[in-house]
Amino acid sequence: AQSVTQLDSQVPVFEEAPVELRCNYSSSVSVYLFWYVQYPNQGLQLLLKYLSGSTLVKGINGFEAEFNKSQTSFHLRKPSVHISDTAEYFCAVREMDSSYKLIFGSGTRLLVRP
Amino acid sequence: NAGVTQTPKFRILKIGQSMTLQCTQDMNHNYMYWYRQDPGMGLKLIYYSVGAGITDKGEVPNGYNVSRSTTEDFPLRLELAAPSQTSVYFCASSRAGENEKLFFGSGTQLSVL
Repeated sequence: AQSVTQLDSQVPVFEEAPVELRCNYSSSVSVYLFWYVQYPNQGLQLLLKYLSGSTLVKGINGFEAEFNKSQTSFHLRKPSVHISDTAEYFCAVREMDSSYKLIFGSGTRLLVRP
Repeated sequence: NAGVTQTPKFRILKIGQSMTLQCTQDMNHNYMYWYRQDPGMGLKLIYYSVGAGITDKGEVPNGYNVSRSTTEDFPLRLELAAPSQTSVYFCASSRAGENEKLFFGSGTQLSVL
């Protein structure tokens, strides 16, 4: 069975500093990988996705993530964060032979301080 | 364009009561989903639907029922509410061929006391 692990429940960082949010997954088959963001009192929004091709994918708001198959990781990065990036970030995976089932990690709260 | 609309936003139930969480989308998406979000646990899929008249169980379907009589609506029914169903519920939809891009509603916070 597939699973997603986000080890950091909260990541505090100062404004304009770089940040990395970690995501590791487990699956016996090939997967698609995603990052979603949830701003306070809102539903989730797709931030970026890896389906195939280049292992470095760029998303909205200056975020990017790198797929590392050997380490089964898909870490999210941003070189300089803003106060407005404060939100909950969820990593998710979907097995290639499963059309509908997204498995989410437990989330990482990014807290950007001035 | 409203997207995915959920009602109510908040609800408190007593143990054993029943209720229906409403979800409607105006994007003509074939696929719709219900997730619950527990603190520190991420989102769990309750039920999903690939089109009107077709529904299937997700990871945590026990205690819930769904129906999909139209493309737009996907209500979630709790028949006998239990404290374990205290959670935030999210409805989502996606377009055929783009199932990874889910559009979420703003959620329903449900407390069962």
